Amino acid sequence: AQKVTQAQTEISVVEKEDVTLDCVYETRDTTYYLFWYKQPPSGELVFLIRRNSFDEQNEISGRYSWNFQKSTSSFNFTITASQVVDSAVYFCALSGNNAGNMLTFGGGTRLMVKP
Amino acid sequence: GAVVSQHPSWVICKSGTSVKIECRSLDFQATTMFWYRQFPKQSLMLMATSNEGSKATYEQGVEKDKFLINHASLTLSTLTVTSAHPEDSSFYICSARENQASGANVLTFGAGSRLTVL
Repeated sequence: AQKVTQAQTEISVVEKEDVTLDCVYETRDTTYYLFWYKQPPSGELVFLIRRNSFDEQNEISGRYSWNFQKSTSSFNFTITASQVVDSAVYFCALSGNNAGNMLTFGGGTRLMVKP
Repeated sequence: GAVVSQHPSWVICKSGTSVKIECRSLDFQATTMFWYRQFPKQSLMLMATSNEGSKATYEQGVEKDKFLINHASLTLSTLTVTSAHPEDSSFYICSARENQASGANVLTFGAGSRLTVL
């Protein structure tokens, strides 16, 4: 069985602060894919990143960065210099074997960035 | 990029009526689509996997007679909530799998459909 845990249900920061959203996963698959999605109040899921289990390189995209640590089964997401527009619910998700398989979502972390 | 359209984006209906939600892949063919449900302030839970030309596969605890899924073409899957009740009020999101020529499979999500049953 697969499981994704996002221990932080809510985080509140002040604009320009850095914030890290934690994600820990469990899977028995040797090949798997990890994702991060942003869900603003409007509800649609905005794809942020996909990572396969063989690629442990950290990635940076603008103010976003991701730290994949296979040894600790974690895939954490950091927003640098947060902005009010970053306020949303962020979901970490996992799919096994094939990136096009169904996703198991974590519980989500609600990020509130205050001006 | 790939686009998945969901319709309607929101719907309000009376208890006891049936509601149909459409999920269309606009610029690619999707033999497989997934239906998720999200209650307020909760995560997305997979309801069923919709396969073109065959019966859907439902997750444990999801009533297949209540949530009818039809995937009659490579670009359209529909979810019908039959005899809806207030407890069915939720946000329903579909995703479609695109089988790319490279061999990679990519999931694209629709914008979701918010159902409110009075």
